[in-house]
Amino acid sequence: QVQLVQSGAEVKKPGASVKVSCKASGYTFTSYAMHWVRQAPGQRLEWMGWINAGNGNTKYSQKFQGRVTITRDTSASTAYMELSSLRSEDTAVYYCARARSSIAALPDMDVWGKGTTVTVSS
Amino acid sequence: QSALTQPRSVSGSPGQSVTISCTGTSSDVGGYNYVSWYQQHPGKAPKLMIYDVSKRPSGVPDRFSGSKSGNTASLTISGLQAEDEADYYCCSYAGSYTSYVVFGGGTKLTVL
Repeated sequence: QVQLVQSGAEVKKPGASVKVSCKASGYTFTSYAMHWVRQAPGQRLEWMGWINAGNGNTKYSQKFQGRVTITRDTSASTAYMELSSLRSEDTAVYYCARARSSIAALPDMDVWGKGTTVTVSS
Repeated sequence: QSALTQPRSVSGSPGQSVTISCTGTSSDVGGYNYVSWYQQHPGKAPKLMIYDVSKRPSGVPDRFSGSKSGNTASLTISGLQAEDEADYYCCSYAGSYTSYVVFGGGTKLTVL
């Protein structure tokens, strides 16, 4: 079945970087796109960015521009989200979510990973 | 990019209908027919309930329906069931001149 398996929880110090992986299975990875969404404790969902898994084209939220990098490895059917210059406010659950459309960063996220908890603390 | 505006909470009794609103601007909700709705139970990942304003993914009950008028989108849940109690988030495409995708603040649905 279609599923996204994310990497395990991370604890990072302020100023460090974190890289979260999202391994896809059950479908043709390069035929879809992938969104990254985060949710701080008790807060709303927040969109971070998107990658077309076929051609590697990316789109980022202005809020995270310059701090976030989304990549993919087609041979491993895996997408990655790296966030740098971490601060305490980046403590959140980070989700990858498959996009139904690969043409543009449309908000049609039909399959979600279980989430990766990232804690930023000194 | 500001979040879309949703009521903090709504409630209804089993069997009743409830509607959750999602207000944006002409740059997001009003400008595109790309509004989606997600259901999130505590501690779980979100689940797509509606996309492209009113389309239901396979497996989502037809009790869930979506619509849009101007800058406001709505999710209606009819025949409320206990398992519908969850947080609901709207989400809209916002174009390439802003941040592409914006979520609402979320609405807590309580089934009385």
